Amino acid sequence: DQQVKQNSPSLSVQEGRISILNCDYTNSMFDYFLWYKKYPAEGPTFLISISSIKDKNEDGRFTVFLNKSAKHLSLHIVPSQPGDSAVYFCAASADQFYFGTGTSLTVIP
Amino acid sequence: EADIYQTPRYLVIGTGKKITLECSQTMGHDKMYWYQQDPGMELHLIHYSYGVNSTEKGDLSSESTVSRIRTEHFPLTLESARPSHTSQYLCASSVSGQYTDTQYFGPGTRLTVL
Repeated sequence: DQQVKQNSPSLSVQEGRISILNCDYTNSMFDYFLWYKKYPAEGPTFLISISSIKDKNEDGRFTVFLNKSAKHLSLHIVPSQPGDSAVYFCAASADQFYFGTGTSLTVIP
Repeated sequence: EADIYQTPRYLVIGTGKKITLECSQTMGHDKMYWYQQDPGMELHLIHYSYGVNSTEKGDLSSESTVSRIRTEHFPLTLESARPSHTSQYLCASSVSGQYTDTQYFGPGTRLTVL
């Protein structure tokens, strides 16, 4: 049973616009959430994280929002750049890490 | 930047062969992990270790085995490869943060068993 879900397998955004990637989870015991970015033929790289005691964390162009009542988190990238084109995984942490299936973001120049 | 290495990057091998996927990290992390990922699917934890001589199986049943004799080294072995083992294998290590661990991943090994 998948505990972390990314329902959009792909997303295309124009350069300079906002990219919004979504993630839903089912386990209320998750206490930490992370976003990873993955280029082809490389391993995932850590991007940004948020603790369950917060509802927003910002790092440069990347902002993660957490809505615990809806069990939903999102990653906002603004402005989007062509180099942001990659697969983005959300992950949640409890006793171990649980990953979503990823969303492939394409930023069109 | 994380320093975690996996070899080989790509491996094509016949059924029944024994293979070992190597993973090394130079960051001194105590915790290390192996994940399996098929295209379009989530990462599944197959093994983890919290330190030397400590190994545990993850959620996904796997016919592989691991060992942790040195902090920096966490190899994964398949005694007899089968086509069902075809997948990408990702190694990770983690450091404890303020709230939880952050995992750093190697580049992965793409395994194809014919």
